[in-house]
Amino acid sequence: ETGVTQTPRHLVMGMTNKKSLKCEQHLGHNAMYWYKQSAKKPLELMFVYSLEERVENNSVPSRFSPECPNSSHLFLHLHTLQPEDSALYLCASSQGTYDTEAFFGQGTRLTVV
Amino acid sequence: QQQVKQSPQSLIVQKGGISIINCAYENTAFDYFPWYQQFPGKGPALLIAIRPDVSEKKEGRFTISFNKSAKQFSLHIMDSQPGDSATYFCAASKTGTASKLTFGTGTRLQVTL
Repeated sequence: ETGVTQTPRHLVMGMTNKKSLKCEQHLGHNAMYWYKQSAKKPLELMFVYSLEERVENNSVPSRFSPECPNSSHLFLHLHTLQPEDSALYLCASSQGTYDTEAFFGQGTRLTVV
Repeated sequence: QQQVKQSPQSLIVQKGGISIINCAYENTAFDYFPWYQQFPGKGPALLIAIRPDVSEKKEGRFTISFNKSAKQFSLHIMDSQPGDSATYFCAASKTGTASKLTFGTGTRLQVTL
């Protein structure tokens, strides 16, 4: 059982749909992250949450909206996505934002049609 | 601008051989250099990491070599096994700031029998 669990594992959505990705960590960490993994590109950090504080990547489009209700749960709300948003979305956690060892979930494979 | 450049993009090694993956970074403030291993359908998992106060770190068959003056580091997998077939990512970050790993583009390693 991985310490970081993501659901769903696979998601197909239309460009007009609204969906949410969920991440839960069982490691007692207090920092969580969303990364985007596209083919042949570096993993891209989208958002960082630490103790409910949000650190944004200003290059992430507003159609991606994160929510962190507590230190164990992280959501990524999706709306009016584009086909180029199709990718593997990875959640990660760490002991704190100063701890550079990140633990990743298995990811959600998102396809936008 | 890609801050961590990784090569090669793909690598085929015979069982028992040595796999070598190279990374170069630009930001001299980076002081933590991890390698992540990712199997298909899984999230990346930390394999081994090094800080610039040492030039080499070995854990089992995996060794990181670090050249601070050249701003390069590499992963060596000795006695490569088919079970090592995966995608390997180098990364870099700066301790003491919000944990933001900058990743390379990944190397897909295939170890043949």
